[in-house]
Amino acid sequence: GQQLNQSPQSMFIQEGEDVSMNCTSSSIFNTWLWYKQDPGEGPVLLIALYKAGELTSNGRLTAQFGITRKDSFLNISASIPSDVGIYFCAGPGSGSARQLTFGSGTQLTVLP
Amino acid sequence: NAGVTQTPKFQVLKTGQSMTLQCAQDMNHNSMYWYRQDPGMGLRLIYYSASEGTTDKGEVPNGYNVSRLNKREFSLRLESAAPSQTSVYFCASSESRLPNYGYTFGSGTRLTVV
Repeated sequence: GQQLNQSPQSMFIQEGEDVSMNCTSSSIFNTWLWYKQDPGEGPVLLIALYKAGELTSNGRLTAQFGITRKDSFLNISASIPSDVGIYFCAGPGSGSARQLTFGSGTQLTVLP
Repeated sequence: NAGVTQTPKFQVLKTGQSMTLQCAQDMNHNSMYWYRQDPGMGLRLIYYSASEGTTDKGEVPNGYNVSRLNKREFSLRLESAAPSQTSVYFCASSESRLPNYGYTFGSGTRLTVV
């Protein structure tokens, strides 16, 4: 099936630092989505990307659709305590159904 | 706006017991999904319903059944629970069957099978 490799698996950073994470696919995507999951809650959509090379921001978050169409990147600038959570990349699965496939997630911890 | 509502929020089952996880959405969405989340494995699709009256298997359907009761409700049933089904279960919905605009998720059901 579709493979989405997300890294790093976990990050411990100081408040105020910038964060970068990425996701790679085994096949070409036409859509990349980034979700955040707060502790004890369901994932919430942060950013959607639809074109190779596209760069989209949502506040302190910026995501990019890689030009190879097989990768995507998420950056968080000037991290704050409420950034804690799990960040997932997602894209259309393989096969005719093409339901959303998720990466394994990046667990972010922000230290005061 | 409630969005996607899941019940119960927590459940403990004994091996072999059965139960049904309930999900309802109030956004008039056409498609609904069940995912399970396990540590280090992200979210894996169990079953989905592209539209009312249809259901299809996802990546990990074994041990589960689903019912799309009407446009609003999509339930997940465990007929004979096993410890391997200990997980957090998320229901989601989307307006379109195409994944490009993302899904709206519920807050999850945390299931432990002992």
